Amino acid sequence: DSGVTQTPKHLITATGQRVTLRCSPRSGDLSVYWYQQSLDQGLQFLIQYYNGEERAKGNILERFSAQQFPDLHSELNLSSLELGDSALYFCASSVSTNEKLFFGSGTQLSVL
Amino acid sequence: AQRVTQPEKLLSVFKGAPVELKCNYSYSGSPELFWYVQYSRQRLQLLLRHISRESIKGFTADLNKGETSFHLKKPFAQEEDSAMYYCALRPYNQGGKLIFGQGTELSVKP
Repeated sequence: DSGVTQTPKHLITATGQRVTLRCSPRSGDLSVYWYQQSLDQGLQFLIQYYNGEERAKGNILERFSAQQFPDLHSELNLSSLELGDSALYFCASSVSTNEKLFFGSGTQLSVL
Repeated sequence: AQRVTQPEKLLSVFKGAPVELKCNYSYSGSPELFWYVQYSRQRLQLLLRHISRESIKGFTADLNKGETSFHLKKPFAQEEDSAMYYCALRPYNQGGKLIFGQGTELSVKP
C-alpha cells in the first residue's frame, strides 16, 4: 500500500456527463500529480499541484480541471465526457518536487 | 524535446534467461531517470532511481549519457517479474513531474 488513496475505483458514465475523481495523498506529502493511462497514449501527465497551487501542466484538455484543497487532497473534474476519455486515471504524491512519486491504485473511468 | 522511448512493446523470455529492457531519452540537461513497474494494471511502483544506484529485485540500470540510455537489466528472469515496465524522466526544475515512456510488457515463461 503506497498510502495514496483514490476514489472511486471504478466509474461508469455516459457521454456528455461530468465526473469528479478524488485523491488523498500520503500523509505529509504536499505535491499531487494526475496521470491518464490509456492503451493508445500510455501514461500522460495531466497536471500537478504543490501545497494548493498549480505547479505544472501537461496534456490536460480544457474540459478537464483540477484543484488541491487546504487539507491537500485533490480532485480531478472531467466534463463533457467523450468515449475517448475512457482510461485509468492515476494520482501520485510526493513530499516535495525532488522526491519519489508514490502512486495510487487509480480510477478506471468507462464512458459509454 | 523531452522524450522517453522504450522501443519494445513486448519482451518475452524464458525463466532463468537474462533480461534487458531498453530505454532511451531525449533531454538537453542532466536527467533524473527512473524505472517503474506495474503488475496487472495495478498501481505503479518505483523500481529504481538512477541516483540511488541500487539493485531492487535483482534489477539494475546504468545511466549512459553518451548513448542517452538507461536500460534495465536482470541476469536471471523469474516468472514473477512478468509485468509492465515504464522508464521515466524527470526534467530539471519543472515541478517534479515525470515523463513516461510507452512501457514494455515483460513476459517470463516457465
